[in-house]
Amino acid sequence: GESVGLHLPTLSVQEGDNSIINCAYSNSASDYFIWYKQESGKGPQFIIDIRSNMDKRQGQRVTVLLNKTVKHLSLQIAATQPGDSAVYFCAENLPQRGGSEKLVFGKGTKLTVNP
Amino acid sequence: NAGVMQNPRHLVRRRGQEARLRCSPMKGHSHVYWYRQLPEEGLKFMVYLQKENIIDESGMPKERFSAEFPKEGPSILRIQQVVRGDSAAYFCASSPRTDQETQYFGPGTRLLVL
Repeated sequence: GESVGLHLPTLSVQEGDNSIINCAYSNSASDYFIWYKQESGKGPQFIIDIRSNMDKRQGQRVTVLLNKTVKHLSLQIAATQPGDSAVYFCAENLPQRGGSEKLVFGKGTKLTVNP
Repeated sequence: NAGVMQNPRHLVRRRGQEARLRCSPMKGHSHVYWYRQLPEEGLKFMVYLQKENIIDESGMPKERFSAEFPKEGPSILRIQQVVRGDSAAYFCASSPRTDQETQYFGPGTRLLVL
């Protein structure tokens, strides 16, 4: 079925620490994964993505790791800043019949960065 | 290059009225997706459209909800005879094509049904 879930609903870290947000997905047919950041009152903002033929991808201060064996995805944020405080969603791209695709979102993890 | 635009940003309706939500995709994007988000929850897929075609409406309620993406103009999500349970944030996203392309989201329309 469709299920993208997160291990921790909330995460509180100190400014400057590294943050790790985890996500489990259930559909082995998913071929593309995206992390979004959503600040209060705003739409989801793309952070980083990874295709299923990769196991790691790095961006600016962020790294996404994909473990297809256990269907696990994580987002690592280095040197977390107060501006990183938001809700983070993972999404899996699920191919559909007829060639279309759709994103299935997890419930989200709220990250709070303490100064 | 303007991002995805949605209007109105906030919409208040009384039960039984109609709600019309508009979405203009990013320039060059021909694929539009609508999602609904309840408080403290993730986004739930509703419908995927290309110009003049509904590709996947598996997430749309069977009644009262409809969507279109005409040849000219924005995509419209229409909710007829709204009920309090329709209160939510509705987000539109666009992508240049399907096949593992990132979807970029608009700011959303927050619908409140009194």
